[in-house]
Amino acid sequence: EDQVTQSPEALRLQEGESSSLNCSYTVSGLRGLFWYRQDPGKGPEFLFTLYSAGEEKEKERLKATLTKKESFLHITAPKPEDSATYLCAVQQGGSEKLVFGKGTKLTVNP
Amino acid sequence: DAGITQSPRHKVTETGTPVTLRCHQTENHRYMYWYRQDPGHGLRLIHYSYGVKDTDKGEVSDGYSVSRSKTEDFLLTLESATSSQTSVYFCAISARGDTQYFGPGTRLTVL
Repeated sequence: EDQVTQSPEALRLQEGESSSLNCSYTVSGLRGLFWYRQDPGKGPEFLFTLYSAGEEKEKERLKATLTKKESFLHITAPKPEDSATYLCAVQQGGSEKLVFGKGTKLTVNP
Repeated sequence: DAGITQSPRHKVTETGTPVTLRCHQTENHRYMYWYRQDPGHGLRLIHYSYGVKDTDKGEVSDGYSVSRSKTEDFLLTLESATSSQTSVYFCAISARGDTQYFGPGTRLTVL
């Protein structure tokens, strides 16, 4: 059974304090790993798709990396507007379904 | 934003009543999904569709049915709502069955 574990459950940072969120996964034949951002009361917003170990993608202050067992979402010099819940999901090869982790709630204080 | 709308956005109903939630897309994507999101559980797949009239079950399908008679519309029906179905429901779409784009959600309360 595919499993996705995100850590920490919650993270509080000061503005400008860089850090990383972790997504550990077990899947038989990874088709893709996905990162989403979710603001309170809204639907998840797509950030990145990673397909193979060693792949990296960046968007503004966010950088996602992938190994064979985990993915990291690095946040460089975060701002208060980066506060949100970040969700990770994996997709098994041959499947059209995603399995989501429970998310990491990030709070960035000014 | 992907062209996805959900209706209604909020609904309060009573136990035992039928409820239908609608997801409408303007992207002509092949795949459509229904999820529920609950504290402590994250997003869980209820049902999904891989084409008109083609649907399959997800992780938490008991008590739910779906229909897709047109590419753009995917309906989720609770035949007889129960309090355990109080949740936030999200629809998602995907062109190729990989990256999914989510709608704004429907908050359902079953009293």
